[in-house]
Amino acid sequence: QLLLQESGPGLVKPSETLSLTCTVSGGSITGVNYYWDWFRQPPGKGLEWIGSLFYRGSAFYSGSFKSRVTMSVDTFNNQFSLHLRSVTAADTAVYYCARANSDCTEIPCFKGYFDYWGQGALVTVSS
Amino acid sequence: DIVMTQSPDSLAVSLGERATINCKSSQSVLHTNNRDYLAWYQHKPGHPPKLLISWAFTREFGVPDRFSGSGSGTDFTLTISGLQAEDVAVYYCQQYYSTPHAFGQGTELEIK
Repeated sequence: QLLLQESGPGLVKPSETLSLTCTVSGGSITGVNYYWDWFRQPPGKGLEWIGSLFYRGSAFYSGSFKSRVTMSVDTFNNQFSLHLRSVTAADTAVYYCARANSDCTEIPCFKGYFDYWGQGALVTVSS
Repeated sequence: DIVMTQSPDSLAVSLGERATINCKSSQSVLHTNNRDYLAWYQHKPGHPPKLLISWAFTREFGVPDRFSGSGSGTDFTLTISGLQAEDVAVYYCQQYYSTPHAFGQGTELEIK
């Protein structure tokens, strides 16, 4: 059974960088048919996709976040991370990591359906 | 980019009755391999989203058979037959035919 678990500070000050790590257990992060994504859900709003990461390090980001997001992978520890710069109160949300399951033949392709999710981590941006 | 539009935005159905949620994509998500790249998710408060259906109609292991998906090309439907109290949630469709994958805005399902 694959498990994903988000971890990181629950409180971040405005203008600082929000950093979260997703630890994957029960399976390897290095599968060629999998992508590792971040989502968020602000209070009272719907899901927002942030970006997608391939284990070899290439990433694809949502246009809404592209200017201030970086995602990275640590294959040794089976983890991947999200860094969101210059946060404001509008970045307060529950952040989810998830696995995208893909049948792409071209690598990377950054598309798939999301079959495993972390439980979510609430991050509040406040001074 | 493909845009996914769900209808209705919210829905109230009596216990035991049928709930129908529609999803329309701005472009076809039917691949030349004859598979529709369309998934459905259930999202309950305080929980992560749960994959219900992939490839437009393939139920995930453990998903009750009262959940069914149908449609092809640009028009899809999630049907919940015999609504149970635990089905109260927001439901999303998602296309994974092209990058970036896109979700619908969500349909909030309540008990009447």
